Amino acid sequence: GAVVSQHPSWVICKSGTSVKIECRSLDFQATTMFWYRQFPKQSLMLMATSNEGSKATYEQGVEKDKFLINHASLTLSTLTVTSAHPEDSSFYICSAGPNTGELFFGEGSRLTVL
Amino acid sequence: DAKTTQPPSMDCAEGRAANLPCNHSTISGNEYVYWYRQIHSQGPQYIIHGLKNNETNEMASLIITEDRKSSTLILPHATLRDTAVYYCIVRPTYNQGGKLIFGQGTELSVKP
Repeated sequence: GAVVSQHPSWVICKSGTSVKIECRSLDFQATTMFWYRQFPKQSLMLMATSNEGSKATYEQGVEKDKFLINHASLTLSTLTVTSAHPEDSSFYICSAGPNTGELFFGEGSRLTVL
Repeated sequence: DAKTTQPPSMDCAEGRAANLPCNHSTISGNEYVYWYRQIHSQGPQYIIHGLKNNETNEMASLIITEDRKSSTLILPHATLRDTAVYYCIVRPTYNQGGKLIFGQGTELSVKP
């Protein structure tokens, strides 16, 4: 199937710093990408829809100034966690798909904020 | 909110068929049924999807009832590597917004 890649796989940062996570579609173009977060023992929660060339659409309760999303090209979306705090520690996952119906997921990025 | 209900957990013997049920009684006519699985600490893996006809691929079979209110994912010969959380999701077609909303899924344990 199509490949979606995330980087970094894991990151540790100090409280108050910002962290950027990249999501790339490797063999297709994606006008839309989706960002999720997942806490231990819980399901995936959709955070936002990333739209190429326009503003992201955030789900209710997700702070858009806290989680900055940029989708500058048809193969790259980035999620920046600004002024990270320990409660932002989580598993962040992106997904995207070609126009054939399937959505594929990246490997996930585990963020630990100290 | 997720539009599907699944049993929280199931066990299956290695080599036997695993049948995972899903209820989606409020599914709309333009919504597909998707199945994904997530192995611990990895991103979800696409398995299969369908609209109203039964579907089969190299991983699994998807049986959708005629009224489309429920479906069953079948892993014909479960292996230990099939131990994962399986998610059943209903989703509009790609060009109608297409986001995936995850429920709690079924934790499948394949035992030797």
